[in-house]
Amino acid sequence: AQKVTQAQTEISVVEKEDVTLDCVYETRDTTYYLFWYKQPPSGELVFLIRRNSFDEQNEISGRYSWNFQKSTSSFNFTITASQVVDSAVYFCALSEPHLDTAGNKLTFGGGTRVLVKP
Amino acid sequence: GAGVSQSPRYKVTKRGQDVALRCDPISGHVSLYWYRQALGQGPEFLTYFNYEAQQDKSGLPNDRFSAERPEGSISTLTIQRTEQRDSAMYRCASAGTENIQYFGAGTRLSVL
Repeated sequence: AQKVTQAQTEISVVEKEDVTLDCVYETRDTTYYLFWYKQPPSGELVFLIRRNSFDEQNEISGRYSWNFQKSTSSFNFTITASQVVDSAVYFCALSEPHLDTAGNKLTFGGGTRVLVKP
Repeated sequence: GAGVSQSPRYKVTKRGQDVALRCDPISGHVSLYWYRQALGQGPEFLTYFNYEAQQDKSGLPNDRFSAERPEGSISTLTIQRTEQRDSAMYRCASAGTENIQYFGAGTRLSVL
C-alpha cells in the first residue's frame, strides 16, 4: 500500500526566510509519480509539480525548488525568500500508474500549513 | 471549459436527505476523479472514470455513495441518506493524456 507522510503540520516563518517542507513516501512499485499541490486560503487545490520515479534531477522554478532522493524515499520542497502570498497548505502526493495509461489515483499526505508573516 | 467546475460550491443538508454533487471537467480530459477531504487532512480517493467507464470505486466508503459519468464528460457524485460523518470537502479532478490531475474548487458539504 502507498503512504505519504508530511511530518510537519505547521511552519511559521518571517517573510524572506527560506522554508523547506518534508515529504516521505512508501510504495512497492518501481514506477511512480510524485506531486506537490498548493491549497491557498481560498481553498482550491493548485498543481505545482510532478516528478517521475526515474528522474532524480532536482528542479527549480523561480523561488520554488524540489529535492527528490530515491534512496531515502523523500521529495522535499523548498520555498526561497518566502512571501506572504506563499501562505497556504502544501500537499505532497504519490501515484502508481494504473494498467491503462489514463489513470493515476493520488495518495496525499496530511499537508503542511505554511504561514509567512510580514 | 477553462478549468474544472464543481457545483454547488456549498451544500447544507439535513441528515437523511440525498445530495448530488456535480463536476464538469476540463474539455477533452478523458479521466475524472473524485476525492473527499476532511478538515485538516489531505484528500482521499473515492472513485475514478476513464471516459464513461467507472474504472475504480474502491474508495467509496459504503453503498450510500455512487457516481456516474454517463456521456464521458460531466460526472455526478450522489450520497443517499446523508449522515453527519459525510460532512467534508468533495473534490473533483480531471486529467488529460499527460496524466496530471487538475482540481476544481470543491463542494463543501455540511450535514446537519
